[in-house]
Amino acid sequence: QQQVKQSPQSLIVQKGGISIINCAYENTAFDYFPWYQQFPGKGPALLIAIRPDVSEKKEGRFTISFNKSAKQFSLHIMDSQPGDSATYFCAASYYSGTYKYIFGTGTRLKVLA
Amino acid sequence: DTAVSQTPKYLVTQMGNDKSIKCEQNLGHDTMYWYKQDSKKFLKIMFSYNNKELIINETVPNRFSPKSPDKAHLNLHINSLELGDSAVYFCASSQGGTGLRETQYFGPGTRLLVL
Repeated sequence: QQQVKQSPQSLIVQKGGISIINCAYENTAFDYFPWYQQFPGKGPALLIAIRPDVSEKKEGRFTISFNKSAKQFSLHIMDSQPGDSATYFCAASYYSGTYKYIFGTGTRLKVLA
Repeated sequence: DTAVSQTPKYLVTQMGNDKSIKCEQNLGHDTMYWYKQDSKKFLKIMFSYNNKELIINETVPNRFSPKSPDKAHLNLHINSLELGDSAVYFCASSQGGTGLRETQYFGPGTRLLVL
């Protein structure tokens, strides 16, 4: 119940295409869902985050879609660029005495030039 | 200026040894974290310190002991290293203590290889 399932494991997209990464969770206590971007040899960096009271959040080319009833959320990268090639992690967080958070297993995205 | 720095960048050592990884942040943040990323890229929180006080201590072997001499530093000491400890260890910091609910700034990672 504490897992966050992320798919696909890897993704290849043509330049200009849309990259879609999906995550699903079971624990309804989760109430904050960030996405992290990690380039090879670097630490993760926060990309965008959403709370379950909204169904969509957009920042530039990055959009999170959130489906509370299905307990799923996804990251859409519009007009994907080679510079977007990285590993993307979804995560989920809730509070239970302390803040708890679980990461997804990561998606390695490659955008072809 | 590096916001979150870690030393060493690479660490190769034998099983059974004791080693330390140091982390420093110059962002004035109150909270620091240690994460472990295994060979499959799975990322997991290990510890979190807020103003030198331990606030998160996930299920981690007792061989791992964090130490925070001040709020700008969080070191990780590992005793009796095992093969399974081979991973990349990331230090991170954030302004408050709400974990992923706020922007965390990650260090470049320390690549530990236990032979």
